[in-house]
Amino acid sequence: DIVMTQSPDSLAVALGERATINCKSSQSILRSSANKNHLVWYQQKPGQPPKLLIYWASIRASGVPDRFSGSGSGTDFTLTISSLQAEDVAVYYCQHYYSNPITFGQGTRLEIK
Amino acid sequence: EVQLLESGGGLVQPGGSLRLSCAASEFSLSYYAMSWVRQVPGKGLQWVSGIDSRGGTSFYEDSVKGRFTISRDNSKNTLYLQMNSLRAEDTALYYCVKDPTRTTTGYFDDWGQGTLVTVSS
Repeated sequence: DIVMTQSPDSLAVALGERATINCKSSQSILRSSANKNHLVWYQQKPGQPPKLLIYWASIRASGVPDRFSGSGSGTDFTLTISSLQAEDVAVYYCQHYYSNPITFGQGTRLEIK
Repeated sequence: EVQLLESGGGLVQPGGSLRLSCAASEFSLSYYAMSWVRQVPGKGLQWVSGIDSRGGTSFYEDSVKGRFTISRDNSKNTLYLQMNSLRAEDTALYYCVKDPTRTTTGYFDDWGQGTLVTVSS
């Protein structure tokens, strides 16, 4: 199974500042034939189901503000929030979909400093 | 707006069975692969099982293989998860989730609110 490891486990950032969350896979999740990384990011707010933010490692889902961006390739990926807003307080998860079983990172809790 | 409404959760004794349902509305389930993902309250996410749009191909996480069965009735716009031989470690909130394509691409663009399964004596 591919193991997804996020860092840090928790993060406190001031409003308007940049927040960066990392995700590392135990093996490459880049499909070379298609040049696509099989990685998504979700945001989960308290009492709500997760919401898709980013797919194929860097494509924003519909309706997601452009302050959210995804980057990386192979085994190392990053979710960046360019200017933190109060409504961004949540737990963020990465997930690979390169092969079965699909697995998630352990989550990163983002708070306001 | 896509809606996924799970039902069928509850309290069951170890070794017992439950059948979860997920009723889809505002879209046709037949066009999309679907999965179940679970979450122990306050903990992380675990994919459980997935099925393609026609129901011809299904996949399972190792810990549920042989105990859980995913199925769908596209005529009823409903997804199911039959859970047998339940264990305490199956206790979780079970989400019904929609894949963006007919095949199991493996990521999920819509989620239900979840139904809670508690396995305890």
